[in-house]
Amino acid sequence: SQKIEQNSEALNIQEGKTATLTCNYTNYSPAYLQWYRQDPGRGPVFLLLIRENEKEKRKERLKVTFDTTLKQSLFHITASQPADSATYLCALDPYTGGFKTIFGAGTRLFVKA
Amino acid sequence: ETGVTQTPRHLVMGMTNKKSLKCEQHLGHNAMYWYKQSAKKPLELMFVYNFKEQTENNSVPSRFSPECPNSSHLFLHLHTLQPEDSALYLCASSGRLAGGPPETQYFGPGTRLLVL
Repeated sequence: SQKIEQNSEALNIQEGKTATLTCNYTNYSPAYLQWYRQDPGRGPVFLLLIRENEKEKRKERLKVTFDTTLKQSLFHITASQPADSATYLCALDPYTGGFKTIFGAGTRLFVKA
Repeated sequence: ETGVTQTPRHLVMGMTNKKSLKCEQHLGHNAMYWYKQSAKKPLELMFVYNFKEQTENNSVPSRFSPECPNSSHLFLHLHTLQPEDSALYLCASSGRLAGGPPETQYFGPGTRLLVL
């Protein structure tokens, strides 16, 4: 069955360091991969989308890579700040038709000052 | 604010109650979604409506009944729920078209539901 895996353990890093979060998937051939941020008590907020033919995408301090051979995406936050503390969700769209975006359970990030 | 509002924000109900969740989007989107989010679990897609027509029903029990009177409003009617239905219920909207690439989903703040 289709499966998305994100680190269930929280990631703790020091302010100023680069945070790297991992999203692995099996039994998928996603055409698109998205990353969302979710704060406690709030809905997810879209951050970045990357297509299967793109290796890397950047937005300010954020960088996403997409390796369809390894079936993995890495999400990097450079020069991390305490305000970056949140849960980050990976989401896959297996094809261009339909409306079924599949979400991972998310990884909780804590950035310490 | 994302342009998607949900009411109520918190709801406590007994297993014999009937209640409704409401979602409204002010973004001009055509697609609206209901998700269930339980602790430590991925978002579970429940229903999708596109231009008021239901396009996805992810094997959701009949005690959950969606209603989409127009592209801006979405309801989730609840009756005879079970304690395991306690979760955060999120509404989202997008401009995604059938057969087209994914568009950003804009989520509401959610309704925290507790079933006693």
